[in-house]
Amino acid sequence: AQSVTQLGSHVSVSEGALVLLRCNYSSSVPPYLFWYVQYPNQGLQLLLKYTSAATLVKGINGFEAEFKKSETSFHLTKPSAHMSDAAEYFCAVSVQGAQKLVFGQGTRLTINP
Amino acid sequence: DTGVSQDPRHKITKRGQNVTFRCDPISEHNRLYWYRQTLGQGPEFLTYFQNEAQLEKSRLLSDRFSAERPKGSFSTLEIQRTEQGDSAMYLCASSLGVSPNEQFFGPGTRLTVL
Repeated sequence: AQSVTQLGSHVSVSEGALVLLRCNYSSSVPPYLFWYVQYPNQGLQLLLKYTSAATLVKGINGFEAEFKKSETSFHLTKPSAHMSDAAEYFCAVSVQGAQKLVFGQGTRLTINP
Repeated sequence: DTGVSQDPRHKITKRGQNVTFRCDPISEHNRLYWYRQTLGQGPEFLTYFQNEAQLEKSRLLSDRFSAERPKGSFSTLEIQRTEQGDSAMYLCASSLGVSPNEQFFGPGTRLTVL
């Protein structure tokens, strides 16, 4: 079975600072990994996905994530935070042949002016 | 295409009442998923359909819950005899069903059981 652990339920950074949201996964077979963002009272929007094509994945809104098999990690980064990045971020894992996504508990990102 | 839509967006009900939610997936997507999200948690898988066939159900889906997708298009999720513990956001997603199975989510239905 797959699982995801997001380290830090709440991250706070200053506007313009680096954003780093941590995600570690567990999977006995090669995983597919996803980062989703959720704004208040809205559904989830896909930021980026890892599908084994490239370990460094670029997504929307300036976000990127790097797949590190040796560390079983898929951390999300953005060089310079904007106020509009304030939201809840979820890391999710799936594998080939599986249908469901398994989500982490989420990290709430707050941007300080 | 306007994406996945869900109706209603909010539902307040009294304990013991039945509720039904609707999800309209992206039109060309043959797979449809239901997830439940409680406050401060990530979404948890409930069930999924391929066309009209319900192929997997989570153990979270008690016998008070039933989901249908009668014509392989929209889906309904019914909760009978609601309990306060059913209060959550119910999310619907759809996909083409091709690996890596990228799922597109609707805005969700927030259920409050009083």
